[in-house]
Amino acid sequence: QKEVEQDPGPLSVPEGAIVSLNCTYSNSAFQYFMWYRQYSRKGPELLMYTYSSGNKEDGRFTAQVDKSSKYISLFIRDSQPSDSATYLCAMSAAGGYQKVTFGIGTKLQVIP
Amino acid sequence: DAEITQSPRHKITETGRQVTLACHQTWNHNNMFWYRQDLGHGLRLIHYSYGVHDTNKGEVSDGYSVSRSNTEDLPLTLESAASSQTSVYFCASSGQGAYGYTFGSGTRLTVV
Repeated sequence: QKEVEQDPGPLSVPEGAIVSLNCTYSNSAFQYFMWYRQYSRKGPELLMYTYSSGNKEDGRFTAQVDKSSKYISLFIRDSQPSDSATYLCAMSAAGGYQKVTFGIGTKLQVIP
Repeated sequence: DAEITQSPRHKITETGRQVTLACHQTWNHNNMFWYRQDLGHGLRLIHYSYGVHDTNKGEVSDGYSVSRSNTEDLPLTLESAASSQTSVYFCASSGQGAYGYTFGSGTRLTVV
């Protein structure tokens, strides 16, 4: 069993929809949780960063962490075609700048 | 502007040849990482370094080596290329206390 599980999709939604992306994990030592966005044939870029449990909001994006359930989520409100990308969850025990374990990534397509 | 660059962008090599992929960053980051990205597996850590002369094995290090002689560079060497090493390779760097990684644009390696 992988340390981090993520549904690879693909997920297709109409423009303006609310998107929910999720990951589960098994390693209780993970305390730092990140979401990266990766456009086709590009390197991933950091989108959201959360420490421990709780919510964090940045514009149309909200990250949620529930450590008791070992479950993290990323919500995208008012989704746009430019949000079409692969979203990777990532986790670390020692900080987002140290060794990080990634999920497989969920491919999202937002249809105009 | 600071950046992280990978070269070459694409490479085709033959089975059994030694191959070196370059990664150069001008962020002055202490931490550097090599990942490979494959369909069905996501990003998997090959090797990483937390400073000059420091190197550590990741989860898929067999057949790969790195050395860190300065802050800016972490070259990845495939000792004897195998078809199973056909993949997209990403280099990343991070500074102490940073929230996450900065990724390069990737090297697409094909072993024939």
